[in-house]
Amino acid sequence: NAGVTQTPKFQVLKTGQSMTLQCAQDMNHNSMYWYRQDPGMGLRLIYYSASEGTTDKGEVPNGYNVSRLNKREFSLRLESAAPSQTSVYFCASTGQGKSGYNEQFFGPGTRLTVL
Amino acid sequence: SQQGEEDPQALSIQEGENATMNCSYKTSINNLQWYRQNSGRGLVHLILIRSNEREKHSGRLRVTLDTSKKSSSLLITASRAADTASYFCATWENTGFQKLVFGTGTRLLVSP
Repeated sequence: NAGVTQTPKFQVLKTGQSMTLQCAQDMNHNSMYWYRQDPGMGLRLIYYSASEGTTDKGEVPNGYNVSRLNKREFSLRLESAAPSQTSVYFCASTGQGKSGYNEQFFGPGTRLTVL
Repeated sequence: SQQGEEDPQALSIQEGENATMNCSYKTSINNLQWYRQNSGRGLVHLILIRSNEREKHSGRLRVTLDTSKKSSSLLITASRAADTASYFCATWENTGFQKLVFGTGTRLLVSP
């Protein structure tokens, strides 16, 4: 199993440009999430999806849109990038882990710089 | 807002020493989890403690939970340079759909 994969790993945008961050998981998990992490900070939830076909806002949704394309894929779109969106973006999914309880499984992250 | 708050924010120790990180949370929980993040990487689940447990061990990790104080601690014994990472506690927030709420994290630096 590849787990949670994200593309691209790095991206540089100019202010006003748009882009889509891709995320996929092969663990048959229902719920998926997008977080952003700023330097020295914890994670802030942008959007989440409880199941295929549903999405909902997290703490910091402004400036972002998401699509839950199918059970495997959850994409994050920046329509008009701003320097304040410079961050590392993590995708995650939730499923039963080794503990026997629900745990989150994270992708490797996308490092985005907006100039 | 972050449900879990950790202290210290940063901790610097020598190899072989023990590292203790503390976490406080605000609401009732079913379990509390600790995650580790190596620099520039995604978080990885370390250990989970249920609300009816007071202490749990896994290798060099020891987690305690005090539900009366709404606090938990993570102890790493005999630290190694490879333990250098950020550590986050996390609890589930029941809002009709479960979201995992992370603390602000403790950055641990273990020097050889």
